[in-house]
Amino acid sequence: SQKIEQNSEALNIQEGKTATLTCNYTNYSPAYLQWYRQDPGRGPVFLLLIRENEKEKRKERLKVTFDTTLKQSLFHITASQPADSATYLCARATGGGNKLTFGTGTQLKVEL
Amino acid sequence: SAVISQKPSRDICQRGTSLTIQCQVDSQVTMMFWYRQQPGQSLTLIATANQGSEATYESGFVIDKFPISRPNLTFSTLTVSNMSPEDSSIYLCSVDERESTDTQYFGPGTRLTVL
Repeated sequence: SQKIEQNSEALNIQEGKTATLTCNYTNYSPAYLQWYRQDPGRGPVFLLLIRENEKEKRKERLKVTFDTTLKQSLFHITASQPADSATYLCARATGGGNKLTFGTGTQLKVEL
Repeated sequence: SAVISQKPSRDICQRGTSLTIQCQVDSQVTMMFWYRQQPGQSLTLIATANQGSEATYESGFVIDKFPISRPNLTFSTLTVSNMSPEDSSIYLCSVDERESTDTQYFGPGTRLTVL
């Protein structure tokens, strides 16, 4: 089965530092990986999508990489702020169409 | 981006009863998805609902337990039938983004507690 693995341990960092979250997948490389943010009591919010043929994608303070050799995606938040505190989910395309398989998410806490 | 609302936002139900969750989108969409997020777990896809056809269920989920309706392009319902405490979870609907089928927008979720 196609799995997505994220570090289940919470990540605590200081404000201003760069947060790096890891997403590992099994079996064949998906056509794309997606990253979502989820706040308590809310649905996930889409952040970034990176395709198999892309090494890196950026959006403001966010950067995502895709390494098909390591079967891994890294999600970076630079100049982190307390408002970045949330759970971040990685998702991969599953099968055909638009089905997504989500990882368990990594909780990020940015401290002053 | 699509704006999605769900009703109810939360409910506490007795074992053996059923609850119907509504999902409303502010634009017409082809595909709608229903997910379950159990406490401390990630999202698990229950089924895909296309207008005008039967919903497609994922392994481990059956229509008798989770009947779904999709009467038009902006609305869907998910019923959790004959509930047990194991059904306590957050239920979320999502839709594909219009210009691209690769991203999804999620509703706020329905928090269900079964006693």
